[in-house]
Amino acid sequence: ETGVTQSPTHLIKTRGQQVTLRCSSQSGHNTVSWYQQALGQGPQFIFQYYREEENGRGNFPPRFSGLQFPNYSSELNVNALELDDSALYLCASSLRAQGGETQYFGPGTRLLVL
Amino acid sequence: KNEVEQSPQNLTAQEGEFITINCSYSVGISALHWLQQHPGGGIVSLFMLSSGKKKHGRLIATINIQEKHSSLHITASHPRDSAVYICGGYTGNQFYFGTGTSLTVIP
Repeated sequence: ETGVTQSPTHLIKTRGQQVTLRCSSQSGHNTVSWYQQALGQGPQFIFQYYREEENGRGNFPPRFSGLQFPNYSSELNVNALELDDSALYLCASSLRAQGGETQYFGPGTRLLVL
Repeated sequence: KNEVEQSPQNLTAQEGEFITINCSYSVGISALHWLQQHPGGGIVSLFMLSSGKKKHGRLIATINIQEKHSSLHITASHPRDSAVYICGGYTGNQFYFGTGTSLTVIP
């Protein structure tokens, strides 16, 4: 186990709704990255938070937003859900920002949008 | 064209075989990550390398920065190695990962 936890584990929403996913990083880690993984695909980078600031963003629309709290836990918010948002959402924490640190992944949240 | 390409997409091997998975990338990745994903979704980081070679048990990862190519080798493969192996890295403002290589090792 990596010490990274995510909640909830599974979620079902309907199109147009909003969802909030949560991630608790490993102790001592100040960086959290969020990924979307559709079935049969690799993880797609959504964004990274470092010390409560967004520190890089992938090709996702603004309805994907996030927060990082002083204890370095993080939230991913998705507004106006679309059917294509159905996926496994993964967070990963690391000791520092940039890409030269080992990523510790959480178990993921499976989101189904109907 | 994807920024990170892996080959093969699927691989079936007999237990004990030597396995190679290849990763090519077109973006300026500063550190290359190899991940292992088991059925059910859990991802484990295997290696993070920016030059040369790293070894951990039966797994060896190599990288050629000039050619933008990395390989993951598994010696004496075992059924418990069956998983999806994903490579990728960070360009300075975002991570890019490939679609993965699905490995099945048959006893």
